[in-house]
Amino acid sequence: ELKVEQNPLFLSMQEGKNYTIYCNYSTTSDRLYWYRQDPGKSLESLFVLLSNGAVKQEGRLMASLDTKARLSTLHITAAVHDLSATYFCAVDLSNAGGTSYGKLTFGQGTILTVHP
Amino acid sequence: GAGVSQSPSNKVTEKGKDVELRCDPISGHTALYWYRQSLGQGLEFLIYFQGNSAPDKSGLPSDRFSAERTGGSVSTLTIQRTQQEDSAVYLCASSLRGNSPLHFGNGTRLTVT
Repeated sequence: ELKVEQNPLFLSMQEGKNYTIYCNYSTTSDRLYWYRQDPGKSLESLFVLLSNGAVKQEGRLMASLDTKARLSTLHITAAVHDLSATYFCAVDLSNAGGTSYGKLTFGQGTILTVHP
Repeated sequence: GAGVSQSPSNKVTEKGKDVELRCDPISGHTALYWYRQSLGQGLEFLIYFQGNSAPDKSGLPSDRFSAERTGGSVSTLTIQRTQQEDSAVYLCASSLRGNSPLHFGNGTRLTVT
């Protein structure tokens, strides 16, 4: 059974600081997603990481994937209040025949709060 | 453009009643998914539709749950004889193809009393 574990589950940061959220998963997959969820809202896609060593950046967020270590990271640079949300990583287990189809297993989510 | 639309946004029902939740995917998206989000279980995959292929129902928690997708577009998730443990937010998502990023709707919050 695939397990996806995020660390930490709760993160309280000061504005301007840097931090990293970690996502470990237990079985082989070469497709990993990061999503953001604001309170009472749905999930917003942030990054899709498709191969070992993939790195993507958008604004103050940067995501990377190490398929050999089965680890993805989401790095936050110089945090601002607007980044406060819950962040989920999700691994696509549906690699049957080499074609993934979006059957995602999600981590528990990391609740990020950025303080002034 | 229009995103994934779900209705109703909130549903309160009595234990034992049947409920139907509706999802209207993004136009042109061939893949449609149902997920469930609850405090105890987090986000769970329920079912996946792709075109005319047989759906992947492997995430449905019991035979009280069923879903259909008519005409390759709108989908309905039906829960029969609802139980309190069915209380959750039911999220629908669609994607352009099965291996494209998923776009989620705002969900239906189901409360079973």
